[in-house]
Amino acid sequence: SYDLTQPLSVSVALGQTARITCGGPDIGTRNVHWYQQKPGQAPLLVFYRDSNRPSGIPERFSGSNTGNTATLTISRAQAGDEADYYCQIWDRDSSTALFGGGTKLTVL
Amino acid sequence: QLQLQESGPGLVRPSETLSLTCTVSGGPIADSSYFWGWIRQSPGKGLEWIGSIYYSGSTHYNLSLKSRVTISVDTSSNLFSLKLTSVTAADTAVYFCARHYFRDGYYFDIWGQGTLVTVSS
Repeated sequence: SYDLTQPLSVSVALGQTARITCGGPDIGTRNVHWYQQKPGQAPLLVFYRDSNRPSGIPERFSGSNTGNTATLTISRAQAGDEADYYCQIWDRDSSTALFGGGTKLTVL
Repeated sequence: QLQLQESGPGLVRPSETLSLTCTVSGGPIADSSYFWGWIRQSPGKGLEWIGSIYYSGSTHYNLSLKSRVTISVDTSSNLFSLKLTSVTAADTAVYFCARHYFRDGYYFDIWGQGTLVTVSS
C-alpha cells in the first residue's frame, strides 16, 4: 500500500517561513491536498491539487509537489497558524483516500 | 452555504453496531461532482478515511474496514449514513462526515463538526 510520510513536528519563528513536507514514491505524479486542523475543530482544506488555494485561505499558504515530496509552505507565519497539518491523496490503484500522519506546527 | 451535521449515539457497547447519520443542508446531496465521505480520528491520532458514497449508491471503502462498514444514502432526506459493526475500543473516535469532491483531485472540501463516539461497556 502507498504511505504518506510527514514529520511529526515543525517549528517556525513568528514571521518566518514554515515548510511542511509530505513524502511518498513519485508523489509528484499525484494530486496532493492539505488540511489544517486546530484543537477541537474539524479539518479545513487549505490547499488542493498541489497548488490551488480555496477562497478565504490567505495567500501566505502555498504548495508545491515534485518528485517524492509535496510541500506546504506558510509564509510570514502567525500564531494563528499553529495547528496540525495533514496531506491527503486519492490512490487510484486501490480507490482509497490516504492521509499522512500529520505534522504539528508550532509558531515560536 | 452547504453544511454537514453528524448525529447519532455517543456511546456504543463493544460488539454492537455504531450508527451515524450526516445531514446535508444548503445544497443537494445528488450532485454529480461529489461523493460524501466518513473520516474518523482516534483520540490524539491522525485522520483515517472510512469510505465515501455517491448519490446513486456507489461506494468506496477503506480496505482495512470494509468487512465491517456500510455507507448508505437517502437522497429524499438529503443525508447519508454510516454503520460499523462489531465495534471495539479501537473504534472510539471522533467521526467526521465530509463532502468529497470527485473530479480531478478527490479532496474533502466541506466537513461537519464531528461527533465523538466512545465504545465502552
